[in-house]
Amino acid sequence: QVNLQESGPGIVKPSQPLSVTCSVTGYSITTSYYYWNWIRKFPGNKLEWMGYISYDGSIYYNPSLKSRISITRDTSKNQFFLQLNTVTTEDTAVYYCARQDYWGVMDAWGQGASVTVSS
Amino acid sequence: AIVLNQSPSSIIASQGEKVTITCRASSSISSNYLHWYQQKPGAFPKLVIYSTSYRASGVPSRFSGSGSGTSYSFTISRVEAEDVATYYCQQGSSNPFTFGSGTKLEIK
Repeated sequence: QVNLQESGPGIVKPSQPLSVTCSVTGYSITTSYYYWNWIRKFPGNKLEWMGYISYDGSIYYNPSLKSRISITRDTSKNQFFLQLNTVTTEDTAVYYCARQDYWGVMDAWGQGASVTVSS
Repeated sequence: AIVLNQSPSSIIASQGEKVTITCRASSSISSNYLHWYQQKPGAFPKLVIYSTSYRASGVPSRFSGSGSGTSYSFTISRVEAEDVATYYCQQGSSNPFTFGSGTKLEIK
């Protein structure tokens, strides 16, 4: 059974980078045809899809974040990573990692990492 | 980006009542790519319905979905206390993937 777990900094200062790690157990992130996503939930309940890295390493970002976001992976550790640069208080959110299938179904989620941007 | 207009934003229902949530897309979506999630307070979103009408594993039969094109709906036939949550539609048809704004279900 696949299990995802985020780990993050808790608090980040404005203008600094935000980094969150997703550790995956029970399923290889290189197995076809799954995509490994970052999704965030803002205070007030809005969900925003941020981007994914696929089983073959291809990457797609939400154009609204394209200049600030980077998603990478370490296949030896079965982890993938989110970096969001130059954060502001608007980036305060719970950050989730999730597995997605070909049809866009997010069928497995982590518990979420709460990140607050504050000086 | 495809915008998903979800309504209502909140519902207050009695136990045993039928509730329906609608999700209207700004562009036509294949029904294979429209999904519904339930998020309880303090928890992660949980897949409830995938590809418009298929219940995810372990989901009770009181949950159902239907629709096509730009208009989709999600129904709980008889609401139970454990169904208190926020429900979201999501499209996986085109990048960027998008979510509806959510419907918060409360029990009277």
